[in-house]
Amino acid sequence: GAVVSQHPSRVICKSGTSVKIECRSLDFQATTMFWYRQFPKQSLMLMATSNEGSKATYEQGVEKDKFLINHASLTLSTLTVTSAHPEDSSFYICSASPTSGLYNEQFFGPGTRLTVL
Amino acid sequence: GENVEQHPSTLSVQEGDSAVIKCTYSDSASNYFPWYKQELGKRPQLIIDIRSNVGEKKDQRIAVTLNKTAKHFSLHITETQPEDSAVYFCAASKGSNYGGSQGNLIFGKGTKLSVKP
Repeated sequence: GAVVSQHPSRVICKSGTSVKIECRSLDFQATTMFWYRQFPKQSLMLMATSNEGSKATYEQGVEKDKFLINHASLTLSTLTVTSAHPEDSSFYICSASPTSGLYNEQFFGPGTRLTVL
Repeated sequence: GENVEQHPSTLSVQEGDSAVIKCTYSDSASNYFPWYKQELGKRPQLIIDIRSNVGEKKDQRIAVTLNKTAKHFSLHITETQPEDSAVYFCAASKGSNYGGSQGNLIFGKGTKLSVKP
């Protein structure tokens, strides 16, 4: 149980294009999903908290117009990196927190390696 | 807000020895403390967690202890094996009783564990 998928696993794009990453909870409902960014040999940096049916809550320093988040259902959240630039290249990981959980357990997706040329 | 400190940043042990990773937190309201294992290029995997109503939890070779008074918790791995080599992250949160970003997981910076055969 508690499986989270993420698609695509790897994407290479040209500078200026937009990239959409999907995060799905496969066997549970998740009112809340999280998007993290991870640089090599560093910890997970929370970018935003995505709540089903409402606007995402962005962490300080994260541009909401650049990183568009949509949480359309209890099993799907998407992150769109708009007008991507080389400095956006990173490992993006989502996680999902079961709606029925008493504590904030988070289960992570496999991550998406974004490379912007 | 919550701040989680993790030590050491790197840890090298001989196969069969024990490994201990320590974390401290700042917010006394935090009540959920998970540990994640992340292998290179892969997703963080929840390996064990502890709630604030217990002081110790064990799962085979892995144990976690919590000292609420001192606000620190530790991960203990006994009889280490080469496959234990990974980066380990501790985290703390206040649980789902808190709304918005207050309930989010706050991660430590990680500990790279190397188990030498």
